[in-house]
Amino acid sequence: DTGVSQDPRHKITKRGQNVTFRCDPISEHNRLYWYRQTLGQGPEFLTYFQNEAQLEKSRLLSDRFSAERPKGSFSTLEIQRTEQGDSAMYLCASSLGGSGRSPLHFGNGTRLTVT
Amino acid sequence: DAKTTQPTSMDCAEGRAANLPCNHSTISGNEYVYWYRQIHSQGPQYIIHGLKNNETNEMASLIITEDRKSSTLILPHATLRDTAVYYCIVRVAGYGGATNKLIFGTGTLLAVQP
Repeated sequence: DTGVSQDPRHKITKRGQNVTFRCDPISEHNRLYWYRQTLGQGPEFLTYFQNEAQLEKSRLLSDRFSAERPKGSFSTLEIQRTEQGDSAMYLCASSLGGSGRSPLHFGNGTRLTVT
Repeated sequence: DAKTTQPTSMDCAEGRAANLPCNHSTISGNEYVYWYRQIHSQGPQYIIHGLKNNETNEMASLIITEDRKSSTLILPHATLRDTAVYYCIVRVAGYGGATNKLIFGTGTLLAVQP
């Protein structure tokens, strides 16, 4: 399967702990996006990369959140000092190029539960 | 990005065509209409997109009105596996460093009934 892969699928952590998620995009895709989705809502944009450069960050991305894409391939999203409000599905997507004609392809997400 | 309006929920009988409407009355000339769907506990799945002309692929057809202010996604023969939340999104056709991110609303929950 050459789709977008996310790991882990589920993560349960205690409040105050740090967590890190990984996303492997479709291999030739140079754009990578992170989204967050809470119950009953559509996905909300967090940030995106073009190759290794992080070009936009949403106001939703507080200082406790950091994302990297060091070699322009896989990406990690780290949340420090987790809070219960961080409980959500974290989705990664990738696309070939930045044109509006290039669809984003999503992974199946990492579901985070903060207890 | 332009805002879209979709019904909260719809029902469709299995084997019949499902027609999902979307209003995007403030769409600009350089904005595409995209459709995604999301089955429970999975990521959004790309279905189809279009600019001005009607489009068809193996999953669905997209009908865009001539004034581009509304569109309809058609699933020709709905099955139980098509039960999902369907999102209609307008997306700017920018290039270069523009984000071109998708902005999701709350979508339409399509329930296909046996």
